[in-house]
Amino acid sequence: QQPVQSPQAVILREGEDAVINCSSSKALYSVHWYRQKHGEAPVFLMILLKGGEQKGHEKISASFNEKKQQSSLYLTASQLSYSGTYFCGTEGATYSGAGSYQLTFGKGTKLSVIP
Amino acid sequence: EADIYQTPRYLVIGTGKKITLECSQTMGHDKMYWYQQDPGMELHLIHYSYGVNSTEKGDLSSESTVSRIRTEHFPLTLESARPSHTSQYLCASGLGGTNQPQHFGDGTRLSIL
Repeated sequence: QQPVQSPQAVILREGEDAVINCSSSKALYSVHWYRQKHGEAPVFLMILLKGGEQKGHEKISASFNEKKQQSSLYLTASQLSYSGTYFCGTEGATYSGAGSYQLTFGKGTKLSVIP
Repeated sequence: EADIYQTPRYLVIGTGKKITLECSQTMGHDKMYWYQQDPGMELHLIHYSYGVNSTEKGDLSSESTVSRIRTEHFPLTLESARPSHTSQYLCASGLGGTNQPQHFGDGTRLSIL
């Protein structure tokens, strides 16, 4: 089932902060975050695992609430280069409790950073 | 940087033609994926493979087929293209552990006239 992202779009001035949320109605094994600029491939930002482990980008942080099946991506002191569409991809668990290796992506959050 | 390549980048072709979109990766990844993405929209998984001779359909029904004869190569084929197949097709690969990202190619923008 497709995760729900919010907001759909946000406009920031350079230096401002933003939070992008991703929620799912099913149990999650991990949450992946990607950024896609217009006409380009999605670029990996962050993985959050069940159990709290994080792996990702230096200047971007994120959280994962397993009980609520929600993840949030925190962009601080935004730069012009942060502009793009941010997608969360959720990985469900198999019957054995392991990850499924398949991602279901949300509809994306379009972030625009202006000078 | 990930080394995953898709060709062609752009393809405009008439209805009824057979099309093969190429995807190759040089990282030795077992897991490979095909996504379909309309402009400004989300990615939909249409096919995936966990290794040689392993292929599965994804969440979004697609008339395309895939094959995985070699680890590095995961082509997608449309036997008879239709205007409804117009979209961007993204290939991705990954090591497959749940703490491993998927690496995306630049995509093929397909337009069926």
